[in-house]
Amino acid sequence: AQSVTQPDIHITVSEGASLELRCNYSYGATPYLFWYVQSPGQGLQLLLKYFSGDTLVQGIKGFEAEFKRSQSSFNLRKPSVHWSDAAEYFCAVGAGETSGSRLTFGEGTQLTVNP
Amino acid sequence: ETGVTQTPRHLVMGMTNKKSLKCEQHLGHNAMYWYKQSAKKPLELMFVYNFKEQTENNSVPSRFSPECPNSSHLFLHLHTLQPEDSALYLCASSQEHSGNTIYFGEGSWLTVV
Repeated sequence: AQSVTQPDIHITVSEGASLELRCNYSYGATPYLFWYVQSPGQGLQLLLKYFSGDTLVQGIKGFEAEFKRSQSSFNLRKPSVHWSDAAEYFCAVGAGETSGSRLTFGEGTQLTVNP
Repeated sequence: ETGVTQTPRHLVMGMTNKKSLKCEQHLGHNAMYWYKQSAKKPLELMFVYNFKEQTENNSVPSRFSPECPNSSHLFLHLHTLQPEDSALYLCASSQEHSGNTIYFGEGSWLTVV
């Protein structure tokens, strides 16, 4: 069975600082990987996804993530954080083209941005 | 605007009430989902519908009853709920066999009193 671990429950960074949110997955084959963001009181918005090809993927709002098979990781990065990035971030893993119903989500990382 | 619309956004109901949550997707997708998000818990998949047919029911209590009349609409009928059912209920949709990226609605906040 697939699983996702987000080791950091809560991260605080200063505005303008760089950000890296960690995600580790467990799955036997090549996974489909996603990052979603949830602002307070809102649903989840897709930031980016990895299916195949270039292991560095670009997403919306200046985010990027890198798939590292050897480390079973898909960490999310942003070079300079803005106050509006404060939200909860979820990593998810799927098992292939028919996997939409079987996305497994991590428990989320809450990001606080200090002025 | 994600193309998935949920109503109502907020609902307060008593334990003996009957209410429904509604979801509509405008993305032409053929799969729809209900997720439950409780405080300090991972997202829980409740139900999956593919082409209007229910394909997954993850041991959800019968007081939650889904209905999918067509590929664009999904309901979650609620009756005799418990306070522990208070949560954010998220509807989502995807196009099966096309990468399966799931798109979420903004959720319906349910409080059971």
